[in-house]
Amino acid sequence: GPKVLQIPSHQIIDMGQMVTLNCDPVSNHLYFYWYKQILGQQMEFLVNFYNGKVMEKSKLFKDQFSVERPDGSYFTLKIQPTALEDSAVYFCASSRTGGGGQNTLYFGAGTRLSVL
Amino acid sequence: GMPVEQNPPALSLYEGADSGLRCNFSTTMKSVQWFQQNHRGRLITLFYLAQGTKENGRLKSTFNSKERYSTLHIKDAQLEDSGTYFCAAQSSGSWQLIFGSGTQLTVMP
Repeated sequence: GPKVLQIPSHQIIDMGQMVTLNCDPVSNHLYFYWYKQILGQQMEFLVNFYNGKVMEKSKLFKDQFSVERPDGSYFTLKIQPTALEDSAVYFCASSRTGGGGQNTLYFGAGTRLSVL
Repeated sequence: GMPVEQNPPALSLYEGADSGLRCNFSTTMKSVQWFQQNHRGRLITLFYLAQGTKENGRLKSTFNSKERYSTLHIKDAQLEDSGTYFCAAQSSGSWQLIFGSGTQLTVMP
């Protein structure tokens, strides 16, 4: 099926530093998402992005978080500064439509972020 | 309660057995997706449903928006079916998928 690529697969960083997680979504998809999964827990929505704008974000999407997709390149999640509680696996997803119709989301393999 | 309640939390089956998973929703959802998360953590999309029933090989899923539930049925379970299965639903007026807590499926030889 359609593939979403995430780079890197694992990132280790010191608390307080900045980190950028990269996502290469499915090529003809227009809607992009980040989800967070703490080990052993369920997946939680962070943010949805379309046409250069954040459409919806959850309370987990703190002020230290930002997303962008400059000029159709990677869709990125930046955390600045990082905190210990940011340690989790971050999943990127993309979909062709945003709602109604076949809004099937396809997920990447995740980036495991370890904040020390 | 939780918007998406998934049962059972864990399930063990012998190869060749059939079983089902269920998600109940506290509110009307407009669509549901089912995923399998394998031992490496990768999420594999199994189904997207806005209504009705879909089948794919040994898997079948049903979504009843009015009755607020969705099911995933696994027929003739195989070892490679082991993993954690998640349902995730989308409500009207929201972009986000709300995930269930998952069902950890173990298929034994």
